[in-house]
Amino acid sequence: EIVLTQSPGTLSLSPGERATLSCRASQSVSSSYLAWYQQKPGQAPRLLIYGASSRATGIPDRFSGSGSGTDFTLTISRLEPEDFAVYYCQLGNTFGGGTKVEIK
Amino acid sequence: EVQLVESGGGLVQPGGSLKLSCAASGFTFSGSAMHWVRQASGKGLEWVGRIRSKANSYATAYAASVKGRFTISRDDSKNTAYLQMNSLKTEDTAVYYCTRLGPAGGAFDIWGQGTMVTVSS
Repeated sequence: EIVLTQSPGTLSLSPGERATLSCRASQSVSSSYLAWYQQKPGQAPRLLIYGASSRATGIPDRFSGSGSGTDFTLTISRLEPEDFAVYYCQLGNTFGGGTKVEIK
Repeated sequence: EVQLVESGGGLVQPGGSLKLSCAASGFTFSGSAMHWVRQASGKGLEWVGRIRSKANSYATAYAASVKGRFTISRDDSKNTAYLQMNSLKTEDTAVYYCTRLGPAGGAFDIWGQGTMVTVSS
C-alpha cells in the first residue's frame, strides 16, 4: 500500500508570500492520479489540482502543481487571505496527512 | 446545480447501526463511482469505501478498518448512494463525506457538506 507523506506539517507565512507544499509517495506512482485538495474549517475538501498539474474548474492560477515519480509539489505563488487552510494530497484511496498553511 | 447532500448522521451507541444517505443532483449520477470519506475531529481524511457504476457491476471496496461492518449501496433511480454502518465503534466517530470520483485524473471533484456520526454511550 502506498503511503503519502506531506511536509511540512505546518507552514507559517504572510499574505503575499509563496507557499511550497510537498507530498512524497512511498514508491513511484503515476502522476496522472495525484490530486491536491484545500480544506477550510467546517467545510468539505475542495479539489484544486488533478493529474499532478491540472487545475480544477474555477481554481485561480496562483495554484500550481508539479512533480513525478515519488515527489510532488503544490505551489501557491502569492498567498491570499482566503488561502490559509489545510491542504491534502491524494492518490487512489490514500490521502496524505495534510499541511496546514497558517498566517504568520 | 451540481451537488451532493448527505443525511442520516447522529448519535448512536457502540455496537449500533446507522445508515447514511447521499443525494446527488446536477450530474449523471448513474455513470459515476461514488466514494465515502471520513474525518475524525482534528484529524485528516480517511477513505472509507466506494461503489462503482452499473457499467462496472456496482463493484464495492472498503477500507480494512470498516470491512465486514460497513456496506455501500446505491439507487440510481433516486440518484442516491448509501452507507450502512453496523457494529459501530467509538473510533468510527467522524464527519462522513460522500464524494464523486471525477472523469479525469482519479480525483474527487464533487463533495457533500458532510454528516456527523457520533458513537458514544
